[in-house]
Amino acid sequence: EVQLLDSGGGLVQPGGSLRLSCAASGFTFSHYAMNWVRHAPGKGLEWVSAISGSGTSTYYADSVKGRLTISRDNSKNTVYLQMNSLRAEDTAIYYCAKDGEVVPGYTLDKWGQGTLVTVSA
Amino acid sequence: EIVLTQSPATLSLSPGEGATLSCRASQSVTTYFAWYQQKPGQAPRLLIYDASNRAAGIPARFSGSGSGTDFTLTISSLEPEDFALYYCQQRYYWPPTFGGGTKVDIK
Repeated sequence: EVQLLDSGGGLVQPGGSLRLSCAASGFTFSHYAMNWVRHAPGKGLEWVSAISGSGTSTYYADSVKGRLTISRDNSKNTVYLQMNSLRAEDTAIYYCAKDGEVVPGYTLDKWGQGTLVTVSA
Repeated sequence: EIVLTQSPATLSLSPGEGATLSCRASQSVTTYFAWYQQKPGQAPRLLIYDASNRAAGIPARFSGSGSGTDFTLTISSLEPEDFALYYCQQRYYWPPTFGGGTKVDIK
């Protein structure tokens, strides 16, 4: 059974940093791209970032480019989202999501349970 | 960026009734289109991909149709577990974008 376990969320001050993790199991991790999607209060879902199965290609929404960095460790079946220079508008539940292809095709066929990031003074 | 507009915002129905949810794209996205279901406190779940294909394990009462700019998710007969939030998503244009959601609640 495919499982994704998100962790690392919490309360952080504006300008601060946080690292989210997503531990995967139940599939050949390196064969699939991985994504992060967020859901801010009162707003719809927003795609944030993606990484290819090998980790060599990364993609970012304009709203987070230069501040968030996606990476993966295929030996640990884990994808990360390093979040720097955080802003109030980054407050959201962050979900990792498995892609259906080795390079991002953005059909998200399995999602983690989400981890809450709150940016506030 | 492609804007997806879902309608209605809320659909109030009784178990056993059929549901029709709509999503309109601001430009043609061909059939690079998906539907997701989300229940309170749970992760979203893929229901339909490429406009009309049911994802693994999704009951046959869920069906998707459409192409270009207009898409429909149909639930033939609502089960108690189907009362949830539904999102549409396009992946034809980068970045992938989601609609604002349709809440299906119990009448």
